[in-house]
Amino acid sequence: YELIQPPSVSVSSGQTASITCSGDRVGNTYVNWYQLKAGQSPLLLMYRDRRRPSGIPERFSGSNSRGTATLTISGTQPIDEADYYCQAWGSRTVIFGGGTRLTVL
Amino acid sequence: QVYLVQSGPELKKPGASVKVSCQASGYTFINFFIHWVRQAPGHGLEWMGWMDPKSGDTYITQDFQGRVTMRSDTSLSSLYLEMDSLTSADSATYFCARDAEGRKYTLDGMDVWGQGTTVIISS
Repeated sequence: YELIQPPSVSVSSGQTASITCSGDRVGNTYVNWYQLKAGQSPLLLMYRDRRRPSGIPERFSGSNSRGTATLTISGTQPIDEADYYCQAWGSRTVIFGGGTRLTVL
Repeated sequence: QVYLVQSGPELKKPGASVKVSCQASGYTFINFFIHWVRQAPGHGLEWMGWMDPKSGDTYITQDFQGRVTMRSDTSLSSLYLEMDSLTSADSATYFCARDAEGRKYTLDGMDVWGQGTTVIISS
């Protein structure tokens, strides 16, 4: 069971960034998203596809449809530059996507 | 406030063993499974396994079976990751993370993370 993410995404400051996570079973399981900045611990951004933990800005949103989960960042800010990982539960294991480096231009 | 506080950095020689600790505070320790995740330099997040602090049950992914042990000490609200036969490929930052739903299925994600423990393997 694999989760596939694009290695990198670039977005202009203030624009909308979309990071995808695809896999055979993505449509049948919940996907979570984490933000990871250098020297920090991962931060849970989204759980159960589209739910935001308290404290996560509203500009972060999630969806999961037709085998692809998507993390969307509206009005991207320079502080959003980071690595983003999708994650799901496989048959017996936790699976992470390979990660996407978001660059804010 | 809920915290997971990990032990400090480690420098080990190839073939040695390492023990990383993760101490929980601010919540009922036995009610939440803990996952161990590592990130090697230049690589992504790699899940290693989970532990149920209440029962002591563990699941260790195949890549680490036979080399990794997970333990808990409920009296100290602490968990331990022990890894043997270290190689340079084990140089990484190791994280403990709480399963938000309490079980192992990460339905609600991993909501609390330790600060990470850097382990460097070098002769």
